[in-house]
This record gives sequence, C-alpha cells and structure tokens, in this order.
Amino acid sequence: QSALTQPASVSGSPGQSITISCTGTNSDVGSYNLVSWYQQHPGKAPKLMIYEDSKRPSGISNRFSGSKSGNTASLTISGLQAEDEADYYCCSYAGSTTLWVFGGGTKLTVL
Amino acid sequence: QVQLQESGPGLVKPSETLSLTCTVSGGSISSYYWSWIRQPPGKGLEWIGYIYYSGRTIYNPSLKSRVSISADTSKNQFSLELNSVTPADTAAYYCACGTFSDWGSQWGQGTLVTVSS
Repeated sequence: QSALTQPASVSGSPGQSITISCTGTNSDVGSYNLVSWYQQHPGKAPKLMIYEDSKRPSGISNRFSGSKSGNTASLTISGLQAEDEADYYCCSYAGSTTLWVFGGGTKLTVL
Repeated sequence: QVQLQESGPGLVKPSETLSLTCTVSGGSISSYYWSWIRQPPGKGLEWIGYIYYSGRTIYNPSLKSRVSISADTSKNQFSLELNSVTPADTAAYYCACGTFSDWGSQWGQGTLVTVSS
C-alpha cells in the first residue's frame, strides 16, 4: 500500500481539463512544500512535471499546474491532448526519517 | 544537460547481491543529489535512496538494512548494491539526479533486473 493516495484512473476528452488528487497526511504532504508530480508513458522513464508543489521545470507546458490544500495535492492538466495519456505519480517529502514517498499512480485516459 | 545510463546484470539469483552502475555525462557527480528508484513490473515507483555531493547517503528505511549507494568521482559514476535479494526485488531500476527539491529532474532509461534461480 502506497503512502500517498491517488485515484487509480481518470479520463477526459481532448481540450478538457482534468485534476488528479494526491492525499497524504500532516507528516508529509501537509508539512512541506515538497510535492512533485511525474508523468510516465508505457515503457519509458518517469518525467518530472511539477516540483515544490507548483513549480514547473524548464520546458514543461503551462497546461500542467500543481496546487495543494492541507494534506491533499493536485495536478491539473488543461487543454487535454492525446499525448497526455500516461500514468501520473505524486511524490512528497516525509521528513528526515522516511524521506520521499510516492502515490500509487493514476492512469490518465484521453477519450 | 545531464544524461544518465544504468548498467548491470539483468538476472540475479535469490540471496545474492544486485549491483548496478549509473554513468553520468554532461555534468559532474560532485554536485547535486544522485538517486536510485525502482518499479516492479506493473506497479508503482519506490524511492530507494540517494547520495549527494558531500558523499552522504540517505536510504529508504524499508530497504536500509540491505542497500548501499556509492560514488566514483573519477569515473563520474554512482552505484547501487542491494543484498540478499528475493523475487520481490524484481523491478526496473532507474537512476536520477537533481537538487534536493527536484531530485528527479533527470532520469536514466532504466534497466530491468529479474531475481530468479
């Protein structure tokens, strides 16, 4: 069982917006501004999409945005495109003992 | 831009030691955080640990008793050793690098390691 809880799947049509939630506790998500989000296409390595809750690395489309409220972080993808279909994982810092924990992943289907 | 490439045996016997190396190009291993992550087939990601520029290592508590990460600055490589492996350690193993808050900025392509007799 993963430390962070994500929905197993979400779907949306091209052009729509979707949001993926990531629920942790006040020992991880709720305590640090250190949630990151990764996109993984089948057979490929994960790719960093968001870090420090809401920052985008250079080269990442502004269609991807991150936010957080309490113990729940969210990834929103606007203007869905076919190439956004992938698995998405959240990750949070959980303190100096546990370090980094992942969510179980969410499969995004673009209808 | 930093590029990473994992290498090592694709098959390891139960109870033996899994050893992988990550070769770094386009950047110095004397900087940043250098991580190992794994993903069992069809499952999610698990952070294994990292070594950072001071040579200090931090490990996932669930693997701490079996794992060791080291760096060879002369070869610009860092390595993973996981001992006493079982079939549950079968996974794609990835190396990655970044700063503390974006330690997964760059990833290698990953290498599948199967634990089987």
